[in-house]
Amino acid sequence: RKEVEQDPGPFNVPEGATVAFNCTYSNSASQSFFWYRQDCRKEPKLLMSVYSSGNEDGRFTAQLNRASQYISLLIRDSKLSDSATYLCVVRGYSTLTFGKGTMLLVSP
Amino acid sequence: NAGVTQTPKFQVLKTGQSMTLQCAQDMNHNSMYWYRQDPGMGLRLIYYSASEGTTDKGEVPNGYNVSRLNKREFSLRLESAAPSQTSVYFCASSGRLERHETDTQYFGPGTRLTVL
Repeated sequence: RKEVEQDPGPFNVPEGATVAFNCTYSNSASQSFFWYRQDCRKEPKLLMSVYSSGNEDGRFTAQLNRASQYISLLIRDSKLSDSATYLCVVRGYSTLTFGKGTMLLVSP
Repeated sequence: NAGVTQTPKFQVLKTGQSMTLQCAQDMNHNSMYWYRQDPGMGLRLIYYSASEGTTDKGEVPNGYNVSRLNKREFSLRLESAAPSQTSVYFCASSGRLERHETDTQYFGPGTRLTVL
């Protein structure tokens, strides 16, 4: 089982749609969880951390289920500018492990 | 603040040539990292430096060496480049701000390396 697995993409959605990304991780000792966003040919940037109680930042909601070792990201009211690759990231003791990412394409 | 800077942005090498990728951060971060990103493989950690004076191997260290020159700078060296090292290389840094906070990694813009 790969350390961090994400939904294969790409996800093609119209503007205004709600889209959900899922991620599973294999190391139960993982300490912190994140979603990063990467635009085409750019560097990854932190989108949001994921907390056990779930957290929301505007149109973005992240959830963590430690028992199932599952992380999710929900994007509501998709914008054209949300088109990017979304990386699920898990932190062990001192390093991060990245999923391969899921590409989102939002069309007019 | 410039954040994390990397040089060069692009490089083409011939097999067997050597080169050093430079990385610097101005955020006073303790930890620095080198990743490579290949299509279908995601980001993979090559080496990291948890603090000035220390370096550790990541997932894919073979064919690379690193130097943590000081707190700001962390370089990656390819002694004898191979076509399998064609990739996009990202440097990142992180620093724990408060005891209860998790550290965020900030990435440089990347170096696109082609080895012929």
